[in-house]
Amino acid sequence: NAGVMQNPRHLVRRRGQEARLRCSPMKGHSHVYWYRQLPEEGLKFMVYLQKENIIDESGMPKERFSAEFPKEGPSILRIQQVVRGDSAAYFCASSSPGSAPASHYGYTFGSGTRLTVV
Amino acid sequence: AQKVTQAQTEISVVEKEDVTLDCVYETRDTTYYLFWYKQPPSGELVFLIRRNSFDEQNEISGRYSWNFQKSTSSFNFTITASQVVDSAVYFCALISQGNLIFGKGTKLSVKP
Repeated sequence: NAGVMQNPRHLVRRRGQEARLRCSPMKGHSHVYWYRQLPEEGLKFMVYLQKENIIDESGMPKERFSAEFPKEGPSILRIQQVVRGDSAAYFCASSSPGSAPASHYGYTFGSGTRLTVV
Repeated sequence: AQKVTQAQTEISVVEKEDVTLDCVYETRDTTYYLFWYKQPPSGELVFLIRRNSFDEQNEISGRYSWNFQKSTSSFNFTITASQVVDSAVYFCALISQGNLIFGKGTKLSVKP
């Protein structure tokens, strides 16, 4: 039973390019969360998605960042026109609502994508 | 407002010493969940423990133990007889209304 799969593991982009980060949740999980970890910082919530729906995007920067979780395929975090300040580790987590609120079980995290903007 | 504070930014100990990592949280909710995660140098996040707000019983797992005290809003983590492989950043986290909120982490260095 594969865990949360994120790819690529490392991504290098030049300023102004687009970055696409992918996340495949654990089998049976329908909730996906994206977090960003800036250097020497904890993880900060960005967005919470269910299939085809954005539930909470209160942590997403207003510009250049978007996320989707289509009916088929992985969740995608997209950063347009990247800047040096976007360099960070981006973690995806998934959870299953099951018969109890998701918060009872916590999240399963992927290994992260380390984005470097040069 | 919900908040997690890990006041210790870095701790350095010598192997076999005991070490306690502090975590203080803030939430207005009566139902919430607390977590500890380990982030080794390789970068992934490793789940260590989950504790709900109604269970104040302390927990021990091998060399790891956790002390949850609602009266002081603390959820401290102790490693007994530390080992070099325990070197990592440790994050305390809180869920009270859906989103997992992390502290800034404590970097633990265990020297041989």
